[in-house]
Amino acid sequence: SQTIHQWPATLVQPVGSPLSLECTVEGTSNPNLYWYRQAAGRGLQLLFYSVGIGQISSEVPQNLSASRPQDRQFILSSKKLLLSDSGFYLCAWSDGSNQPQHFGDGTRLSIL
Amino acid sequence: GQQLNQSPQSMFIQEGEDVSMNCTSSSIFNTWLWYKQEPGEGPVLLIALYKAGELTSNGRLTAQFGITRKDSFLNISASIPSDVGIYFCAGRPPGNQFYFGTGTSLTVIP
Repeated sequence: SQTIHQWPATLVQPVGSPLSLECTVEGTSNPNLYWYRQAAGRGLQLLFYSVGIGQISSEVPQNLSASRPQDRQFILSSKKLLLSDSGFYLCAWSDGSNQPQHFGDGTRLSIL
Repeated sequence: GQQLNQSPQSMFIQEGEDVSMNCTSSSIFNTWLWYKQEPGEGPVLLIALYKAGELTSNGRLTAQFGITRKDSFLNISASIPSDVGIYFCAGRPPGNQFYFGTGTSLTVIP
């Protein structure tokens, strides 16, 4: 069966520091991969999605970037974090754009 | 952009009561999904709907794909304390990614 792993679970970073959040999926090949941010207001904002290695689509301009160095690995990065980058970051995978997405357990990012 | 309205925003109910929530969109969707999210965790898929009029159950949960293809409903029967959480709908217009609702927060009072 398929599983998705996201780490770390929580992270506290100072403003201006770099960021790297990692997500890996097991038990499937060539999945679609997604990064979401969930603010306190509960809505899920799609940040990036990828349909294959090296293919990244960005939904909103921001201080973050994403990379997919391997088929089942998706990384969310920033060179210099802002206070506004705080939030709950969720990675998800699906078997295709029209298939349900399955989420990891998220990373709680706090910027000080 | 796509508008996906989910209501109610929050619900406080007594254990044993039935629950209803819904999502409406400004355009036609091909797929509707319902998720539940518990504190500190990612959303978990509950039910997926692929055809207008489709009615699907998962235990005490029942969801329907509206015949206009612009809405979906989730019902929970005989609620229990472990039903507490935030319920999200998600819908996909033709040829597009999924959009998520803003969630319904459910509190069950024992």
